Amino acid sequence: KAGVTQTPRYLIKTRGQQVTLSCSPISGHRSVSWYQQTPGQGLQFLFEYFSETQRNKGNFPGRFSGRQFSNSRSEMNVSTLELGDSALYLCASSPGDRGERKLFFGSGTQLSVL
Amino acid sequence: GQNIDQPTEMTATEGAIVQINCTYQTSGFNGLFWYQQHAGEAPTFLSYNVLDGLEEKGRFSSFLSRSKGYSYLLLKELQMKDSASYLCAAKTGANNLFFGTGTRLTVIP
Repeated sequence: KAGVTQTPRYLIKTRGQQVTLSCSPISGHRSVSWYQQTPGQGLQFLFEYFSETQRNKGNFPGRFSGRQFSNSRSEMNVSTLELGDSALYLCASSPGDRGERKLFFGSGTQLSVL
Repeated sequence: GQNIDQPTEMTATEGAIVQINCTYQTSGFNGLFWYQQHAGEAPTFLSYNVLDGLEEKGRFSSFLSRSKGYSYLLLKELQMKDSASYLCAAKTGANNLFFGTGTRLTVIP
């Protein structure tokens, strides 16, 4: 089975721009979660999508948004980029059952905002 | 609020045993995960504890005490390839995972 795939692997943007990141979950997984990872803060939960609906949301500003398609692929969008948005963005998939939270992570997208 | 604490860095010798501690304060606690993350790679699942006690899986063991809000990951017979960050994550009743900042373990010859 193919793992979680994230594209692109690296991105460089400038302040004020917007960016879209993509995540393809493991086949059969219906839940996709997004995390931001920075050296000082660790992994911080952004949001989770299940069956095309946002099921959980972390404490990030509205500039961070996401969506999920019918094939469970997910995209994350960040608008009006700020320097502090520079981070590794990780996507994780799971089967989606409420009792199952074992996450399978992708290798992430490293975003640098200049 | 949610709070998870683990040491930032640890160093241990090849062949030795190391214990990485994690303390947590979360509402609706419903389980504790450990993940391993090598530099530049995806985190990978190591263990999941929901009941008190020790779970052993080969060279790796994980312990949980719910009453103390405490967990540890025990790595035996350390190998150079065990140099990585180890992430502790608490699952809450809302079915979210809250991660600590990770412990970077360096194994030296």
